[in-house]
Amino acid sequence: AQTVTQSQPEMSVQEAETVTLSCTYDTSESDYYLFWYKQPPSRQMILVIRQEAYKQQNATENRFSVNFQKAAKSFSLKISDSQLGDAAMYFCAYRSHHGANSKLTFGKGITLSVRP
Amino acid sequence: DTGVSQNPRHKITKRGQNVTFRCDPISEHNRLYWYRQTLGQGPEFLTYFQNEAQLEKSRLLSDRFSAERPKGSFSTLEIQRTEQGDSAMYLCASSPSGIGVETQYFGPGTRLLVL
Repeated sequence: AQTVTQSQPEMSVQEAETVTLSCTYDTSESDYYLFWYKQPPSRQMILVIRQEAYKQQNATENRFSVNFQKAAKSFSLKISDSQLGDAAMYFCAYRSHHGANSKLTFGKGITLSVRP
Repeated sequence: DTGVSQNPRHKITKRGQNVTFRCDPISEHNRLYWYRQTLGQGPEFLTYFQNEAQLEKSRLLSDRFSAERPKGSFSTLEIQRTEQGDSAMYLCASSPSGIGVETQYFGPGTRLLVL
């Protein structure tokens, strides 16, 4: 079974600064997908960024980028130019490549606060 | 289309009562998922449907839980004889199926409190 670990329960960043959220995972599969989801307080979860394991290039979406280290099974999220609206819980998630097994396995999440 | 919707948003019930939640997925999505999220934790997978077929169920889904998706459209999740341990946020998500990454889009959730 796959597991996802987010060992930092909380992080804080100054507005306009850069912060990196860590995630490690364990799997015996070679093909899979990784995601970062954001869950603002009392609001629904939205996708921030995704990475296909077969792609060596790290995914980037505007101020959000990942550092995907397949051999180390590490998948960190970097948020540049942090904004007050980035304050939320962030979840790292894993999905198998196999179509019949499409559930997401989530980490425990990290609470990010942004200081003005 | 405004995304995945869930009703009710909040439910308070007494232990032993039955509750039913509804999820309406994004209209063109044929996959629908249910997750449970307790406070301070990540969502845990419960079950998922492709069209009307329930393809996978987690061991978390005890025999008090049942999910349906008649006609492959909306889905319901029923909990019978609720227990205090059932208190959680119940999340629904939907996605298309096909080749490539099928992003799951989440609804706002139904927060259940069992007294």
